[in-house]
Amino acid sequence: GQNIDQPTEMTATEGAIVQINCTYQTSGFNGLFWYQQHAGEAPTFLSYNVLDGLEEKGRFSSFLSRSKGYSYLLLKELQMKDSASYLCAPMDSNYQLIWGAGTKLIIKP
Amino acid sequence: NAGVTQTPKFRVLKTGQSMTLLCAQDMNHEYMYWYRQDPGMGLRLIHYSVGEGTTAKGEVPDGYNVSRLKKQNFLLGLESAAPSQTSVYFCASSDGSGSTGELFFGEGSRLTVL
Repeated sequence: GQNIDQPTEMTATEGAIVQINCTYQTSGFNGLFWYQQHAGEAPTFLSYNVLDGLEEKGRFSSFLSRSKGYSYLLLKELQMKDSASYLCAPMDSNYQLIWGAGTKLIIKP
Repeated sequence: NAGVTQTPKFRVLKTGQSMTLLCAQDMNHEYMYWYRQDPGMGLRLIHYSVGEGTTAKGEVPDGYNVSRLKKQNFLLGLESAAPSQTSVYFCASSDGSGSTGELFFGEGSRLTVL
């Protein structure tokens, strides 16, 4: 079966760094997406990885290891506005996204 | 640029009533999707479309129907609403698969079935 595992909730301090992990099992693999979702709002695209390694985009970076079925999202210099849920979504062999339940990130001053 | 627009934003139904959610996108995207999001669960795909005039079932299609008569519109229908269909519904569109498969979401439609 297809399965996504990510922590339910994490807490971090403003200005710090946090890493959100995601492990996955899918039928085939065509890349992995990370989305951000603020409470009561729609998800918005953060990153896409299809090859192993680190992709950096400003304060956010995303890492992928296909052999381990593992990805992480790294957020640096945390700001209060980063309080949101972060959704891990690998794409299977049919190009369908398989969504995790998301990690709720709470930023404290 | 409006992007993806969903109507209505909120709706309360009684069990057995019917309704249609409308999704419209102005980005000329081929792919359109309807998801539902429930607390503690990931987004679940209801139905999707890979082009005008085509539709396909997703993970949880029962109790829903869809139509894609025009490329820019994707309608989700509930013929006989049930309390289990209380949820937040998101429409999304994309250009295609791979890195161009980034999904653009509408603001969501919150449906309550009493």
